[in-house]
Amino acid sequence: KAGVTQTPRYLIKTRGQQVTLSCSPISGHRSVSWYQQTPGQGLQFLFEYFSETQRNKGNFPGRFSGRQFSNSRSEMNVSTLELGDSALYLCASSLVWTENTEAFFGQGTRLTVV
Amino acid sequence: GENVEQHPSTLSVQEGDSAVIKCTYSDSASNYFPWYKQELGKGPQLIIDIRSNVGEKKDQRIAVTLNKTAKHFSLHITETQPEDSAVYFCAPTSGGSYIPTFGRGTSLIVHP
Repeated sequence: KAGVTQTPRYLIKTRGQQVTLSCSPISGHRSVSWYQQTPGQGLQFLFEYFSETQRNKGNFPGRFSGRQFSNSRSEMNVSTLELGDSALYLCASSLVWTENTEAFFGQGTRLTVV
Repeated sequence: GENVEQHPSTLSVQEGDSAVIKCTYSDSASNYFPWYKQELGKGPQLIIDIRSNVGEKKDQRIAVTLNKTAKHFSLHITETQPEDSAVYFCAPTSGGSYIPTFGRGTSLIVHP
């Protein structure tokens, strides 16, 4: 069974640009969540999608957005990139997102903003 | 929101020793308590979890204990091996939010 796939693995962007990251969940999983991981702030929740609807959102500015497609694949977009957006972006999928559900993580996309 | 504290931030042990990592949370509505292991270049992976109606759970060399009254749970690794070297995260989940709050992580180093 294939795991969570994130593309691309690495990205270098210039300040002010925008970027789109992709996540393909485990087959059959309908919930996809996104996290930002940095050495200073740890793992911070961005948002969660279930059946193409955003169900939960973390405390990030509106420059961070996402969506989920009918096949459960998800994308997140960051506009007007800032140096502080440099981070590892992790996607996690689960069968149904409840408080008692294991999250399966991808390997992440390492974004560097210069 | 949930406040989560994880200690220690770094733990260095000799191969064969035991390691204990503690996670303290604030939300009394938390009812799911997982531990994740993150190896270099990889995403976090669940290694063990416990639910609020259970006090302890064991899986070979790994165990988790929960004290709901004191609002903390701990990860215990016995007979540590070099491949246990990684960053470990606790992620208590509140029944109200459905979203886990991750601790800051513990870097475990096991010296051969």
